[in-house]
Amino acid sequence: AQTVTQSQPEMSVQEAETVTLSCTYDTSENNYYLFWYKQPPSRQMILVIRQEAYKQQNATENRFSVNFQKAAKSFSLKISDSQLGDTAMYFCAFMKRNGNNRKLIWGLGTSLAVNP
Amino acid sequence: GAGVSQSPSNKVTEKGKDVELRCDPISGHTALYWYRQSLGQGLEFLIYFQGNSAPDKSGLPSDRFSAERTGGSVSTLTIQRTQQEDSAVYLCASSPGGTSGLGETQYFGPGTRLLVL
Repeated sequence: AQTVTQSQPEMSVQEAETVTLSCTYDTSENNYYLFWYKQPPSRQMILVIRQEAYKQQNATENRFSVNFQKAAKSFSLKISDSQLGDTAMYFCAFMKRNGNNRKLIWGLGTSLAVNP
Repeated sequence: GAGVSQSPSNKVTEKGKDVELRCDPISGHTALYWYRQSLGQGLEFLIYFQGNSAPDKSGLPSDRFSAERTGGSVSTLTIQRTQQEDSAVYLCASSPGGTSGLGETQYFGPGTRLLVL
């Protein structure tokens, strides 16, 4: 069964510094998608970044980048130049595909606090 | 364009009552998902709709839960005879459809917080 593990329930970082959030997953599939979402106190689930497993290049979106290690089944998120608005819960998710069916399998999340 | 919208934003109900939660996906998105987010269980998949195909209902926790999607657009999640353990945030998401990374990417609504007293 696919599982997603986020080993850091809480983290904090000083404004303008860099922080890395960890995620590992388990799957026997070879072609799949991984996502990071953030959920601020407003409750809105916001897409941060997507990684296609067939791509060797790590995905980057502005200050957000991933370190995707397919063999190790690791998918960490790096936030550079942290801002106060980055304070949120961060969820790692794996897209499970079964024929025509789709669903996201979620980690339990990491609560990130960016301190001024 | 407009994002995914959900209504109501919050719902308080009494145990045993039925509730309906609504989701309006992003225009043109063919896939629609419902998830439940609760303190004890994290985020759980409930149901998946894709176009005119039969939905994947494998995540519905009991037969008190049902969902429909009319005209390939708006979806309603219905919980009958609500129980206190149904209290959670119900999130709806839509995706463009197709097997590309972009097509598979889900965009979420703001959720409905349900409290069963």
